[in-house]
Amino acid sequence: ELQLAESGGDLVHPGGSLRLSCAASGFSVSSIYMAWVRQAPGKGLQWVSVMYGGGATYYAASVKGRFIVSRDKLKNSLYLQMNSLRPEDSAIYYCTKGRGNYYPYFDVWGQGTVVTVSS
Amino acid sequence: DIQMTQSPSTLSASVGDRVTITCRASQPISDWVAWYQQKPGAAPKLLIYRASTLDGGVPSRFSGSGSGTQFTLTINSLQRDDFATYYCQQYSLYSWTFGQGTTVEI
Repeated sequence: ELQLAESGGDLVHPGGSLRLSCAASGFSVSSIYMAWVRQAPGKGLQWVSVMYGGGATYYAASVKGRFIVSRDKLKNSLYLQMNSLRPEDSAIYYCTKGRGNYYPYFDVWGQGTVVTVSS
Repeated sequence: DIQMTQSPSTLSASVGDRVTITCRASQPISDWVAWYQQKPGAAPKLLIYRASTLDGGVPSRFSGSGSGTQFTLTINSLQRDDFATYYCQQYSLYSWTFGQGTTVEI
């Protein structure tokens, strides 16, 4: 069974940093599309970052320059380093697996981890 | 970024109804559209990709159509389990934007 499990969410002050982790099972994060999608309280879905199997990365304009996505083949995990955090970054962060040709859609989702940015 | 305008934001329906949700893209995107269902407290679930292809295990009462800029999700014979929030998503040109969501309520 394909599964994703996020961790690392926490309460952090504005301007602070946080690193989210996503452990995958049933497939390798290194050979596939992976992504982070977030959902602010009571709001809709917003893509944050996508990583292609070949290593190319893409970021939403709202996080570009502040967030960095990476992966560890040995730990079979995806990460999201979040710097210079703002209150508007508060959300549930979902790790997702992508599928498709050229551009992925998201077929497997984790349960999410909560990030709260507040003083 | 390509914008997805989804309507309606809320839809009231009854068991057995046929419901339709629409999404309009800000520019042509071929058929690079997916639809997701989300229930309260749960992660989204993929229903449809490439505008009209049902993901594995998704009931056949769900269907999708459209290409270019206009897309539709239809649920035939609404079941109690279908009351949820639905999102369209475009995935093209290295951006992955979602519609605002449609809540289907009783």
